[in-house]
Amino acid sequence: DAGITQSPRHKVTETGTPVTLRCHQTENHRYMYWYRQDPGHGLRLIHYSYGVKDTDKGEVSDGYSVSRSKTEDFLLTLESATSSQTSVYFCAISAHYEQYFGPGTRLTVT
Amino acid sequence: LAKTTQPISMDSYEGQEVNITCSHNNIATNDYITWYQQFPSQGPRFIIQGYKTKVTNEVASLFIPADRKSSTLSLPRVSLSDTAVYYCLVGTPSGSARQLTFGSGTQLTVLP
Repeated sequence: DAGITQSPRHKVTETGTPVTLRCHQTENHRYMYWYRQDPGHGLRLIHYSYGVKDTDKGEVSDGYSVSRSKTEDFLLTLESATSSQTSVYFCAISAHYEQYFGPGTRLTVT
Repeated sequence: LAKTTQPISMDSYEGQEVNITCSHNNIATNDYITWYQQFPSQGPRFIIQGYKTKVTNEVASLFIPADRKSSTLSLPRVSLSDTAVYYCLVGTPSGSARQLTFGSGTQLTVLP
């Protein structure tokens, strides 16, 4: 399996609080992605990165920001969490075309 | 965006061949077609990828017609452990990732 970890694996937070999820890779892949997965919606791309400090928005980027200061780390921040952001968040990495996914972070916003 | 359409669910029996078709009418010239498998509480796992014609690996085959507006994932002799959700993805992950579109997936249930 690709060397990709996510932290935390589970988190419960209150509405209005900031939350940061971390994705860490040991593969030195150029591309990193954040997805969310909700029942009935499959996976939806939030943000992605194509290099250090190079990021772009995905399909559902509102309410989320990202940062990538090192090749191995890609952070997803919810500046002020809302209940609609309760979801499972997956990080993925890729070198070329196929993506490798992390184990996911289950976030609950109460 | 190359929107994909897949059947919501399929049932099969152990030992049978399963074919899951994905429709992607707006596929772009540079787009690849990739299939992923996902088990509950896990991240998706890469199965196979192709651009045109037929691709085969140790677990599956991918058939892509000349017009590339659809693709078919073929799983030979499925077992109970193949019960999972299968996603078709069209795009160029190393290009503009905002074009990546996962469909809702196909829930495959393999029965004994």
